[in-house]
Parts: sequence; C-alpha cells; structure tokens
Amino acid sequence: GQQVMQIPQYQHVQEGEDFTTYCNSSTTLSNIQWYKQRPGGHPVFLIQLVKSGEVKKQKRLTFQFGEAKKNSSLHITATQTTDVGTYFCAGPERDSNYQLIWGAGTKLIIKP
Amino acid sequence: DSGVTQTPKHLITATGQRVTLRCSPRSGDLSVYWYQQSLDQGLQFLIQYYNGEERAKGNILERFSAQQFPDLHSELNLSSLELGDSALYFCASSVVGMADTQYFGPGTRLTVL
Repeated sequence: GQQVMQIPQYQHVQEGEDFTTYCNSSTTLSNIQWYKQRPGGHPVFLIQLVKSGEVKKQKRLTFQFGEAKKNSSLHITATQTTDVGTYFCAGPERDSNYQLIWGAGTKLIIKP
Repeated sequence: DSGVTQTPKHLITATGQRVTLRCSPRSGDLSVYWYQQSLDQGLQFLIQYYNGEERAKGNILERFSAQQFPDLHSELNLSSLELGDSALYFCASSVVGMADTQYFGPGTRLTVL
C-alpha cells in the first residue's frame, strides 16, 4: 500500500545547530502537510505545500516539496529549545483522498 | 487551543473492560478522525467519519468501534481491553474530510492495568 517514509527517526543536536527531516512517498502526492507535536502535546499543523518545487519559510523553518512531488523536507536553522518535539509529514491517500498517510515522525532532541 | 475537545483526559481501567472516549470537533468541521499513538510511536489512523457516515477505516481492531452523532460529536468505544491498548487516543477534525488540514484534540491517555 501507499507509504510515507520519514527519516531520521531521532536527531540529537546541540542548541544552535541545524536540523533536517526528510519525507519520501511511494506515490506522487497532491500536497504534503507538516505537523509538530511537542512533548506531552498533540500534533499541530504547521504548513501545507502544493506545488512542485515549492519552498516556504516560517522564520527559521524552511519547507520544500520536491519537483516530482514525492519527497519533502523540513529544515530548521539554529535550533532553539522551543523547537523540541516530533515533526510529522503527511500526504493524502491516493485512491480515496479521504485520509492522510502519515510518516513515522522525526524526534528533535536538544543535547544538554 | 485547536477547538477540538476530548474527554476524559485520562482513563485507567482493567483488562477485559470497555471504555468510551468522546470527541467534539471544531465548530463547522464535518469530519472526525481517530488516531492511536503508543508510547513514543507514530500516529496510527483508526477511522474517519464525515457528517455521520463512516468514510475511511485504518488499522482498527474489531474490538474497537466508533460513531458520529447528528450533532457531529464522535465516540470511540474500546472493548475487551488488553494491556497493549494502553496508548494516547487522539481525535482530529477537519472541514470537509478530503485529506485537508486536521486539527487535533488534546487526547485521552488510556492505561489498561
């Protein structure tokens, strides 16, 4: 079935270092969405990318959607403690378009 | 605050029991989704309802069932509970339920002893 693979599973960084998570879909996606889940919290929508090659920025966060609309990345510049959490990507289920297919998430951990 | 409410926040019960989790979607949202998240794991999609009708099913066990009522709130029923059912259960809502942006509730943490 349709899958969305996300790597890495965990990333440990020093505060101030950059962080990147990658998402790869087994099928072409009409769009891709990114969510953030803080420790002890619930997933919160960050952004949706729709166009091939699209790049969007939110302050220190840069989101990219690949030319083939099968992969995406989230890059955080100069991480801060407020960035800690798990970042999920998700894309529409191809056949019905009713549900989202979720990546497994990348957990960002700031080293003390 | 996403506007999605879930009750209860915490639930502790014993194996073999049955529980009901409740979700109220954001005002105006017609679609409700249920997810299970085990400790430090990803989101497992269980089931989706749109305007009272079941629309999509994920990896939902036969012991679990759900419904969406005319006022659009939804309930997830978990029966014959097992230790492995201990998890966070999230409800999310969206406007039209066509893989659009989902707004998550705070979750119900279920502990089965």
